Amino acid sequence: DVKVTQSSRYLVKRTGEKVFLECVQDMDHENMFWYRQDPGLGLRLIYFSYDVKMKEKGDIPEGYSVSREKKERFSLILESASTNQTSMYLCASSLQISSYEQYFGPGTRLTVT
Amino acid sequence: GENVEQHPSTLSVQEGDSAVIKCTYSDSASNYFPWYKQELGKGPQLIIDIRSNVGEKKDQRIAVTLNKTAKHFSLHITETQPEDSAVYFCAASIPHFNKFYFGSGTKLNVKP
Repeated sequence: DVKVTQSSRYLVKRTGEKVFLECVQDMDHENMFWYRQDPGLGLRLIYFSYDVKMKEKGDIPEGYSVSREKKERFSLILESASTNQTSMYLCASSLQISSYEQYFGPGTRLTVT
Repeated sequence: GENVEQHPSTLSVQEGDSAVIKCTYSDSASNYFPWYKQELGKGPQLIIDIRSNVGEKKDQRIAVTLNKTAKHFSLHITETQPEDSAVYFCAASIPHFNKFYFGSGTKLNVKP
């Protein structure tokens, strides 16, 4: 079974702090994704990566950056957390560009106070 | 870019009844349409998907239909059970880097 794990289930940070969210997948997938989930808005793509050290902006990249130094690990970075970044963050991975199914981790509920 | 709209936002049915969730999309280049189920405290999980060269697909109590001309697709759940209660998301994917565009979600409540 594909397993996508996220470093924390719940996280509370203060405004202005630098925040790291980590995601690890164990199935040698090429593609990895970061989404945020907000009520009534569904899942919105922040960034994705199709290879090590490669990254592409999604639909809402402002205020975020990412890092992919190893194939299995994809990190989301909030350089200076703000209250409007309070959300559920979901990581996903998929095998190849031509492979469709995305496998999701359990999510990290981030609260910025 | 692609825009996916999903209705209804909440749906309450009696156990044993059918449930239908509808989505529309805007980009005719979209060619893959998955449906995800998200249970409380968990990440979304794929339950069924359909590609643009197919009009209907069934898997036991779950079916998805696609109308490419009208740019809409629907999820049908028959003989609903309490364990079907969850949030359901539709998505559309354009053939580039496997990017998904999600609907806003439907909270399904199946009453015993």
